[in-house]
Amino acid sequence: DIVMTQTPLSLSVTPGQPASISCKSSQSLLYSDGKTYLYWYLQKPGQSPQLLIYEVSKRFSGVPDRFSGSGSGTDFTLKISRVEAEDVGVYYCMQSIQLSLFTFGPGTKVDIK
Amino acid sequence: QVQLVESGGGVVQPGRSLTLSCAASGFTFGSYAMHWVRQAPGKGLEWVAIIWYDGSNKYYADSVKGRFTISRDNSESTVYLQMNSLRGEDTALYYCARGGVSARPDYWGQGTLVTVSS
Repeated sequence: DIVMTQTPLSLSVTPGQPASISCKSSQSLLYSDGKTYLYWYLQKPGQSPQLLIYEVSKRFSGVPDRFSGSGSGTDFTLKISRVEAEDVGVYYCMQSIQLSLFTFGPGTKVDIK
Repeated sequence: QVQLVESGGGVVQPGRSLTLSCAASGFTFGSYAMHWVRQAPGKGLEWVAIIWYDGSNKYYADSVKGRFTISRDNSESTVYLQMNSLRGEDTALYYCARGGVSARPDYWGQGTLVTVSS
């Protein structure tokens, strides 16, 4: 099974400053169709998870452009260009290269300094 | 807008059964896969199961395989999770989520809490 890891597990950021979260998978997430099935979610305090990024770098509907994703193969990064107070919560990466098994990373908790 | 409303959670004794429901609206339910994802108290997200748009394929996490069954009724726009032989480690908030393009969980409900305790 594919194992997802994230670093750091917690992050304290000054508003207006950038933030970056790394996600690594135990095997390549590049599928034979040419797509890479890596996603990013944000779970704000007391809320359900919301999809931010799909297929490594594509922003989901309504997601601000301060969020960006990058990477390939097994190494991926979520970047927030300028953190805002509403960005606090836990960020999860998730893989779905096999449509029969989905795996989340352990989560990275982001708060404001 | 997409709306997913879970129900059926509660307190149940170990070894007993419980069935969760998720009522969907705001989209063509029969055209989408559906997921169940759970979150133990204070822990991260754990994917549980997926059912294809037509019910033809169902897949489960190893932790629930053989004990949980996902099903759907497209005429009622509802997905179910039947949970048997419940254990303490099944205690969690259970979310249903729509499987969008490439079956990605894109919209989530608010969850229903299952507590397994004697």
